[in-house]
Amino acid sequence: GEDVEQSLFLSVREGDSSVINCTYTDSSSTYLYWYKQEPGAGLQLLTYIFSNMDMKQDQRLTVLLNKKDKHLSLRIADTQTGDSAIYFCAERIGGSSNTGKLIFGQGTTLQVKP
Amino acid sequence: EAQVTQNPRYLITVTGKKLTVTCSQNMNHEYMSWYRQDPGLGLRQIYYSMNVEVTDKGDVPEGYKVSRKEKRNFPLILESPSPNQTSLYFCASSYKKGHNYEQYFGPGTRLTVT
Repeated sequence: GEDVEQSLFLSVREGDSSVINCTYTDSSSTYLYWYKQEPGAGLQLLTYIFSNMDMKQDQRLTVLLNKKDKHLSLRIADTQTGDSAIYFCAERIGGSSNTGKLIFGQGTTLQVKP
Repeated sequence: EAQVTQNPRYLITVTGKKLTVTCSQNMNHEYMSWYRQDPGLGLRQIYYSMNVEVTDKGDVPEGYKVSRKEKRNFPLILESPSPNQTSLYFCASSYKKGHNYEQYFGPGTRLTVT
């Protein structure tokens, strides 16, 4: 079945790097996403990676994909207090059906200490 | 400004009293969906719509109805709400960009059913 797993909590100090991990089960995933949810707000798309890529970098964000192990990670360099939020990993499934359906993980709460 | 709007943002109601949560997008997106977010469970899809008059069940459709009479609107209807429908609800719309779907989320509706 379709399942996405994340650890629920991560605490880092300001200036350190944060690494949020995610595993998924559906091998037909085409795109994998990272969303950020700040308190009281909706989900904001941070970045995404196509399943035939290993890595994507976007400013302070680095996404690593290990398709063999079905493991996705998000690294935030020089973590700031403004990065404190819940981070959701999601996979798009459906193969050629293109429904755009996303399967979300439980979300990882990132706490950044000054 | 391109956005997804939801109303109301907060709602407290009683068991059995029919309610509707509205969702509207101004981006001419074909695909819209509803999710509920519960602690430790991430986001789960309730219903989705691939275009006007085309709707289908997601992973947790029981107790909900939707309609898509116009492209921009996708209301979520709870005919007889129950306490287990207390949750945070998100509407989303998306469009196809290349092989990917870019998904935009509304700000969320926090529903409490007593």
